[in-house]
Amino acid sequence: QQQVKQSPQSLIVQKGGISIINCAYENTAFDYFPWYQQFPGKGPALLIAIRPDVSEKKEGRFTISFNKSAKQFSLHIMDSQPGDSATYFCAVAGNNRKLIWGLGTSLAVNP
Amino acid sequence: NAGVTQTPKFQVLKTGQSMTLQCAQDMNHEYMSWYRQDPGMGLRLIHYSVGAGITDQGEVPNGYNVSRSTTEDFPLRLLSAAPSQTSVYFCASSSPRGGTPSYEQYFGPGTRLTVT
Repeated sequence: QQQVKQSPQSLIVQKGGISIINCAYENTAFDYFPWYQQFPGKGPALLIAIRPDVSEKKEGRFTISFNKSAKQFSLHIMDSQPGDSATYFCAVAGNNRKLIWGLGTSLAVNP
Repeated sequence: NAGVTQTPKFQVLKTGQSMTLQCAQDMNHEYMSWYRQDPGMGLRLIHYSVGAGITDQGEVPNGYNVSRSTTEDFPLRLLSAAPSQTSVYFCASSSPRGGTPSYEQYFGPGTRLTVT
C-alpha cells in the first residue's frame, strides 16, 4: 500500500505559468516533508522541505503549502522556466529519518 | 568535496553473476542508504546504515547485501544477478557525524545496471 500518493504523474506548463504538484500521506507520525528535483541522468537533489509546525515555506520561486489536517502538501513553482523541466518527487519521513517517496511527477515547461 | 561518488556508472551483467556497486562519501556523514529507481516506481530503499558497523534492511532488500566497515564507504553487493534487478541504483548520505541529525539526503550520480 502506497504511503505517499503524488499527483499528477506528468505536467506540461507554459513558460511563466504556475506548476502545482500535490502529495497526500496517511501516517500522522511523519514530521518532515521534502521535495526533491531530479534531472535526467542525475541523482535527486533537495529542493525545499517543510516541518509540520508551519503551513507554508517559500524559497525563491518555489513554495511548499502544507495542510496538516488534510494530510496533504503541495509544491508550487511560480514563473515556471524551461530549466525547471525535471522530475519532482515528494517524500515524507518520521524520526527514523527514512524517506518514503512518492512516485514522481515529470514536469515539462514549454518555452 | 566530491560529495557522494558511485562506481561504475554503467554495468551489464549476465544472470547469475555477482558484483559490487561502490559508494563513497567525503562529508563525514553517519547515515547512508541505497535506493533503486525503476520507471513509475519512484525510489525504493534497499538497505541503509546509521553508522559504521550498523546496517539494516529497507523496503526491497532481497538479493542484495551491504556492509559498512568505515564511515566513508557503503558498498552494495548483488549476490546472483537476476533480470528483475535491472535498474538505476542510487547511493545517498546524510547527517554529519557528531552534528545535528539531518534529514537532507545527498545523492550520488547513480549506477545504471542491466542484467541479461
